[in-house]
Amino acid sequence: DADVTQTPRNRITKTGKRIMLECSQTKGHDRMYWYRQDPGLGLRLIYYSFDVKDINKGEISDGYSVSRQAQAKFSLSLESAIPNQTALYFCATSDRGTSGTLANEQFFGPGTRLTVL
Amino acid sequence: GQNIDQPTEMTATEGAIVQINCTYQTSGFNGLFWYQQHAGEAPTFLSYNVLDGLEEKGRFSSFLSRSKGYSYLLLKELQMKDSASYLCAAHQAGTALIFGKGTTLSVSS
Repeated sequence: DADVTQTPRNRITKTGKRIMLECSQTKGHDRMYWYRQDPGLGLRLIYYSFDVKDINKGEISDGYSVSRQAQAKFSLSLESAIPNQTALYFCATSDRGTSGTLANEQFFGPGTRLTVL
Repeated sequence: GQNIDQPTEMTATEGAIVQINCTYQTSGFNGLFWYQQHAGEAPTFLSYNVLDGLEEKGRFSSFLSRSKGYSYLLLKELQMKDSASYLCAAHQAGTALIFGKGTTLSVSS
């Protein structure tokens, strides 16, 4: 079974709709992240959470919100989707590693391809 | 601020050696990761450097110079399956990985 799962894998929606993307992990990691990927722009950080009570904005948080329901679950919501939020979304996890160690390696889910019409 | 630069595209032939460079400017630098990503798939871990020098792992090696803010990924004995995007990512203390835009490598026969 996959260690980091994302649902749905593909979603097509219309402008103005509310969308939730879900991420679950069985790796026992404390830290979870949401990224979006657009052609030519690489992976950009939306939000991250270092534990259940911790939520931090990333580089491009406007238009998004998150919920860390449990250690294993981290959801990303688009309250009112717009076409420029069409992208490939990745969830990732990492252990609570000592700075400067490989424990900071991030493990990625398979991605959710979102299209907003 | 933070900035990570890497070439957008590179091409090479099977059996050759290719070097993908990455320069970075980040505060609180705590290590440099390289990931491989095939089209439409998730990034997968390749290498990690926190100290200056070369780390070798099979056909892939990665180098870091902290004083120069510079890293490279060296791929030897290229195979067609190495055609992918290669992502350089700097770990900034207390936050997430900051990724470059990626280098798309095309390997031809």
